[in-house]
Order: sequence, then C-alpha cells, then structure tokens
Amino acid sequence: DAKTTQPTSMDCAEGRAANLPCNHSTISGNEYVYWYRQIHSQGPQYIIHGLKNNETNEMASLIITEDRKSSTLILPHATLRDTAVYYCIVRVPLRNDYKLSFGAGTTVTVRA
Amino acid sequence: AAGVIQSPRHLIKEKRETATLKCYPIPRHDTVYWYQQGPGQDPQFLISFYEKMQSDKGSIPDRFSAQQFSDYHSELNMSSLELGDSALYFCASSLVGNLDTQYFGPGTRLTVL
Repeated sequence: DAKTTQPTSMDCAEGRAANLPCNHSTISGNEYVYWYRQIHSQGPQYIIHGLKNNETNEMASLIITEDRKSSTLILPHATLRDTAVYYCIVRVPLRNDYKLSFGAGTTVTVRA
Repeated sequence: AAGVIQSPRHLIKEKRETATLKCYPIPRHDTVYWYQQGPGQDPQFLISFYEKMQSDKGSIPDRFSAQQFSDYHSELNMSSLELGDSALYFCASSLVGNLDTQYFGPGTRLTVL
C-alpha cells in the first residue's frame, strides 16, 4: 500500500486559505489520491480526488505535483465549520472495490 | 441527495451480548463497506460487499459477521461482545464504475459495558 505522510496539525485563520500538504512518494501510476475529512465523531466526508491533473470542486482544490509524489489540498476560504481531521488517502485497488486505508491525518483548527 | 443511513445511531450492550448494526446504502450503490473507529483512533476497514458477495475482509474479528441483502442493505452482526468492541462503526457505500468514491454514513456508536 502506498503510504501517506501529513502534518499532525495546523491552524488557519477564518477567511484565509488553508493549504494541507501530503506526501505519497511510493504512489503507483494507477492509484488515485483521495481526501476525506472527519468532523468530530461524524462519518468521514468525501472532499475531492485526483490522479495527476489538478482538480477543483465546490469544496476544495487539489494540486498534485508532476511526479505525483505529493499533493496539496486547498480550502480557499476556511470557516469555523472546516475544523476537522483531514485525511489524505491513496486508494488501494482491491478486486471490485477499493478499501480506504486511513492513516494519521492532519487536525485542522480554524480560528476566528 | 439521499445519503447512507445507519441504524441504530447509538447502542449499549453488556459483555457477551450480541449486536446487529444496519446500513442502507445510497440508492443504486452496489458496494458496501464497514469501518470501525475506536476511541482516539482512525477508521479501520473491516469488510466489504459487492453485489451481495463478500469482497474482502480487513481486521474483522471472527466473532463478527456481515452480509449484504438483495436490496443492497447490509448488516454487521457482532457476538460475544467485549469491552474493546466499544467504538464507532461506519458504513460507506459506492457505485462500481463511478471511480468507487465511498460515501459514509453517520455511524453507530456502540458502547459495551
């Protein structure tokens, strides 16, 4: 399984952009990078995923380096409700489905 | 949009009792996953089902079993409960062919006394 490395925690000011880095140097060519977040004790929430191109949706942007060994999740205008644990996950293909291996994510605290 | 439904949301059991957790996937989703999250830990994959067949097992104890029914809902059966089984249990569902993005339910909090 490709492993990911994320900072343990980070703070962000409300209204500012939050940039969350993730290293995945052993990622293989057909593995996607997924981002989920978990707000205290709630079910993990899907944010975004990508293979090699940058992606953007209504929640966030995902920037993947050209060598695919790292990526950055960008929350453009952080709000207090974005306080959560953010998980960067490289999806492991497994026959017809793809289990998610949650590692130690980044605890993001958005401060007023 | 419809989301994954889990029931019950909270469950309290005594040691050695049995518990059944239910999961109703997003309509048209054909794959269900179960995850366990102990206190202060990250979610850990237990088991998954695709089209009513078991796909794979993770770190699921032999005391646990699960199945997916014809309507695609799934049940996780837990027997001989131990204190260490106290955790949040999440179900997720996905649609094969749609990049299999997993969408999670709100979870069931199981407390074993």
